[in-house]
Amino acid sequence: EIVMTQSPATLSVSPGERATLSCRASQSLSSNLAWYQQRPGQAPKLLIYGASTRATGIPARFSGSGSGTEFTLTISSLQSEDFAFYSCQQYNHWPPTFGQGTKVEIK
Amino acid sequence: QVHLVQSGAEVKKPGSSVKVSCKASGGTFINYAISWVRQAPGQGLECMGRIIPIIGITNYAQQFQGRVTLTADKSTSTAYMELSSLRSEDTAVYYCTTSYYYDSDGSVEGYFHPWGQGTLVTVSS
Repeated sequence: EIVMTQSPATLSVSPGERATLSCRASQSLSSNLAWYQQRPGQAPKLLIYGASTRATGIPARFSGSGSGTEFTLTISSLQSEDFAFYSCQQYNHWPPTFGQGTKVEIK
Repeated sequence: QVHLVQSGAEVKKPGSSVKVSCKASGGTFINYAISWVRQAPGQGLECMGRIIPIIGITNYAQQFQGRVTLTADKSTSTAYMELSSLRSEDTAVYYCTTSYYYDSDGSVEGYFHPWGQGTLVTVSS
C-alpha cells in the first residue's frame, strides 16, 4: 500500500501569515491527491482534490500544488478558523491511504 | 448534496462485534460509493473499505479483510459497517463518507465528500 508522509507534524504560525504543508507519496500518484481539514471533534472536510482543485465553497486562500510524489498545501493568510489538523490522501492506488497529518497551531 | 447521519457511540467487549449505520438524507445512494474510514485516538485516518450499493460490489483494505462486512439497504439509503473480533486497538471514531460513482464506466471518484459525523467505538473489558 502507498505510504503518505506529511511534514511537519506541527506547524506554528501567526494569524495572517502563510502556511506551507508538505505531503510525499511512496509511489507516483499522478494528480490523484486530496487534502482535508479537521477541526477538533469534527469530521474531515474536503479542501482540495486532483492535487489543485478547490472543493465547492473553499476559500481561495487555500491552494494545492504538486504531482507525482510531492505535494503542497498552502494557506496564504491564516485566519482563526484555519488552525486545525490537515491530512493528505492518495486515491491513485487501492486502498486509499492518508498521511499522519499536520497540526497547524497558533504561534 | 447528500447528508450522512451515523448511529450513536458504542462500548463493546473484546471479541465481540459492532455494527454502525450511516443513513443518507437529502439524496440517495444511487450515484455514490460509501466508504468507511476510522481514526484511532491521536492517529491518522485509515480506510477500511467501500461498497457501491447500486451494483452491490464491496472492496476491502487487506488489513480488515475477513473482519469487516459492509452492507447497504437501498430502500432506506442506509449503509452498515460490521466489525468482528474486536480488540482494544479497534477503539476509534468510525466515519462513513461518499465518493461519486459513474455508472457510465463503473469508475469511482477517489476523494471523499461529504462525511458523516462519526461514531465512537470503544473496546474495553
